[in-house]
Amino acid sequence: TQLLEQSPQFLSIQEGENLTVYCNSSSVFSSLQWYRQEPGEGPVLLVTVVTGGEVKKLKRLTFQFGDARKDSSLHITAAQPGDTGLYLCAGANDMRFGAGTRLTVKP
Amino acid sequence: DAGVIQSPRHEVTEMGQEVTLRCKPISGHDYLFWYRQTMMRGLELLIYFNNNVPIDDSGMPEDRFSAKMPNASFSTLKIQPSEPRDSAVYFCASLGAGSSYNEQFFGPGTRLTVL
Repeated sequence: TQLLEQSPQFLSIQEGENLTVYCNSSSVFSSLQWYRQEPGEGPVLLVTVVTGGEVKKLKRLTFQFGDARKDSSLHITAAQPGDTGLYLCAGANDMRFGAGTRLTVKP
Repeated sequence: DAGVIQSPRHEVTEMGQEVTLRCKPISGHDYLFWYRQTMMRGLELLIYFNNNVPIDDSGMPEDRFSAKMPNASFSTLKIQPSEPRDSAVYFCASLGAGSSYNEQFFGPGTRLTVL
């Protein structure tokens, strides 16, 4: 089992601020996924990163995969209340998840 | 497609009772996963199936938990006897083998409360 550590655990910011959350491991992943989970629902896939150093953008969200494929980050620009949720990273190899970052964006 | 369907959405039971959670995966998906989510432990993989066969059940907490997949469109997760520490949200997810990046589709979850 490849363990994933996510930080910070909780993050509360004002609308319009930027933020970065992290997903780290001592293991190498062939690919890594980011999901967002809203209250009362299951997680929904946002992106999969595959290549070391890869950067993917999804509107105001920027995902980066570390060169060594052991870590990843998610940067949100100009956060909005609709970004509120639990952000989870998962190793696509073994389908196991980190504990998540619970983000609250206040209007 | 209706997505992954789970039932019931909420279950409240008393300690010692048997609980059965149900899942219908997306048609054509050949992988099915059961997860448990709590604030303390996060989202834990319990077991997954490929073509109805259990592949990895190392996450099943103990013998009180069992899972079956009698056919491609139905799976159950059973807890017998249930205990208060089993209280959690249980998610089922499915995945198609043709998926390029192993995208899992999650159901809405079953919130289990054991009193």
